[in-house]
Amino acid sequence: ETGVTQTPRHLVMGMTNKKSLKCEQHLGHNAMYWYKQSAKKPLELMFVYSLEERVENNSVPSRFSPECPNSSHLFLHLHTLQPEDSALYLCASSQELQGAYEQYFGPGTRLTVT
Amino acid sequence: SQQGEEDPQALSIQEGENATMNCSYKTSINNLQWYRQNSGRGLVHLILIRSNEREKHSGRLRVTLDTSKKSSSLLITASRAADTASYFCATASGGYQKVTFGIGTKLQVIP
Repeated sequence: ETGVTQTPRHLVMGMTNKKSLKCEQHLGHNAMYWYKQSAKKPLELMFVYSLEERVENNSVPSRFSPECPNSSHLFLHLHTLQPEDSALYLCASSQELQGAYEQYFGPGTRLTVT
Repeated sequence: SQQGEEDPQALSIQEGENATMNCSYKTSINNLQWYRQNSGRGLVHLILIRSNEREKHSGRLRVTLDTSKKSSSLLITASRAADTASYFCATASGGYQKVTFGIGTKLQVIP
């Protein structure tokens, strides 16, 4: 247990569905991240939040919409996804954004878009 | 573009042997981190080495950093079957030390 939880762990959705991924960290961290992990590709940073403010959107399509209502919770809202969006979506947190702090990852949500 | 590149991409060894994985990167960094990922799970932080450090130990792990060659190595001594996982290096650079991951090395330790 890393102190970062993600729900659901598995999700199958059609291209016209709307769903949300949830991440919660119990570590008192100030920075949170969404990553996408696809087979044989490096981990792709999608969004970065620091103190609930988005500081980076890494050219992610608008069909992915993040939300950070407070420093402990992070959501990723999904709508009209494509089959190539199927991947493992990982949430992470770190103590601060600035400085040399390691990231703590959740177990991920395995998303399949049909 | 990818910052860290791990080498080899896959490694298979017998239990008890040492495993060495390498990471090369292209631009200057603030620190370099190694993570482990068991199949289909999240990443677990192993060790962080700052750009002004050359070597760091943690249990059976030894990490070296050569900033002149822009490379790092992770050595796992006396490997165990439980060490079977993918290992990623991640470099932190820039204003807010954005962390960039490589593709990883898949390590299999055969009992």
